[in-house]
Amino acid sequence: GAGVSQSPSNKVTEKGKDVELRCDPISGHTALYWYRQSLGQGLEFLIYFQGNSAPDKSGLPSDRFSAERTGGSVSTLTIQRTQQEDSAVYLCASSAGGSGANVLTFGAGSRLTVL
Amino acid sequence: GNSVTQMEGPVTLSEEAFLTINCTYTATGYPSLFWYVQYPGEGLQLLLKATKADDKGSNKGFEATYRKETTSFHLEKGSVQVSDSAVYFCALRPMEYGNKLVFGAGTILRVKS
Repeated sequence: GAGVSQSPSNKVTEKGKDVELRCDPISGHTALYWYRQSLGQGLEFLIYFQGNSAPDKSGLPSDRFSAERTGGSVSTLTIQRTQQEDSAVYLCASSAGGSGANVLTFGAGSRLTVL
Repeated sequence: GNSVTQMEGPVTLSEEAFLTINCTYTATGYPSLFWYVQYPGEGLQLLLKATKADDKGSNKGFEATYRKETTSFHLEKGSVQVSDSAVYFCALRPMEYGNKLVFGAGTILRVKS
């Protein structure tokens, strides 16, 4: 597609429920990233996929968070047993590769509110 | 480790004022440096970048120079407009292949007419 597409754009859920957030990257981009943007804070790295390599999961805050990328394209971020502190905007980005100068293109984000 | 420090906001300026948003970084070697901007209600988008020391990135009247000696990448604009109101993020990409972008906390800019 022309840009990075994320869905849903807004999600309100109850504490303890599971949620899935979807990211559809730019066609042909081999690298895909998930970041979290909390109110008043910067962007927190969550997970990074590069081609067929093992993902860099070093930013996932707990084992309730997981992500997969199927067929090297679409990615799903899953949060199990959501907590109120999970409320944030979850941003997905993709880039053409993993080299230093490659530019990330971000989606508009999925705003998650946990009640 | 790799980190980025930005000046705290919000920064409030009148239209046509001069803008500086400070950014310093910690990294080994020569990372690539970026400024991203997030306009209200929109996703982050690249504003400018620099990939080696003394490079100057520029776009839409904004400039930033990669200063290795001071490990800085300050964002400047000579005359801001109301439409520049946004959140500005400084970021670095470590030189090691495949590493993720490390962002600063972001600086809110508000421009009054």
